[in-house]
Amino acid sequence: GDSVTQMEGPVTLSEEAFLTINCTYTATGYPSLFWYVQYPGEGLQLLLKATKADDKGSNKGFEATYRKETTSFHLEKGSVQVSDSAVYFCALSDPDSGGYQKVTFGTGTKLQVIP
Amino acid sequence: SQTIHQWPATLVQPVGSPLSLECTVEGTSNPNLYWYRQAAGRGLQLLFYSIGIDQISSEVPQNLSASRPQDRQFILSSKKLLLSDSGFYLCAWSPGLAGGDEQFFGPGTRLTVL
Repeated sequence: GDSVTQMEGPVTLSEEAFLTINCTYTATGYPSLFWYVQYPGEGLQLLLKATKADDKGSNKGFEATYRKETTSFHLEKGSVQVSDSAVYFCALSDPDSGGYQKVTFGTGTKLQVIP
Repeated sequence: SQTIHQWPATLVQPVGSPLSLECTVEGTSNPNLYWYRQAAGRGLQLLFYSIGIDQISSEVPQNLSASRPQDRQFILSSKKLLLSDSGFYLCAWSPGLAGGDEQFFGPGTRLTVL
């Protein structure tokens, strides 16, 4: 079955540091890939997505590139801010789930940015 | 624009008591609907999904049930809560067939079973 593996947290960085959160996946078809963000006490929000190989998703300074050859979708940001502190989830959507969007989530990586 | 509501926001219930969590979606028709549970420090576990009224599929056997009495209403229930039911419950929706693969999440309900 489909699965998503992401690096364990928490990740603690100083403000303006470079961020990388690793994510790899296994899937039988050609999934879409997502990064969701969850701020404390809230639901998940879509951060960015990519639907096919070599696509780059980007939003709010975050980027991730769909790498089919390495089955990866690593999240990066050049300069993190305290407001980026949250839990980040990597996910994939299986297009062959028969009428609904079955999304498989990673376990989440908590990011703490300190001033 | 579409919005998704969940209530209550927080709930504290004794073991053995019943549960009813409600989720409603506005601004869209025929959405796919989902219930997830997020236990403390863990990822998301899909509990139920629905592609239409009275069409519910369960992903994980448990003492919870779900119902969809209206197109944009999704209810999570239990007759008798267990301690292990504590967690953060998230409702989500996605467009129906051919409508895209992104899921949109509600604000969640924090359930504590004592």
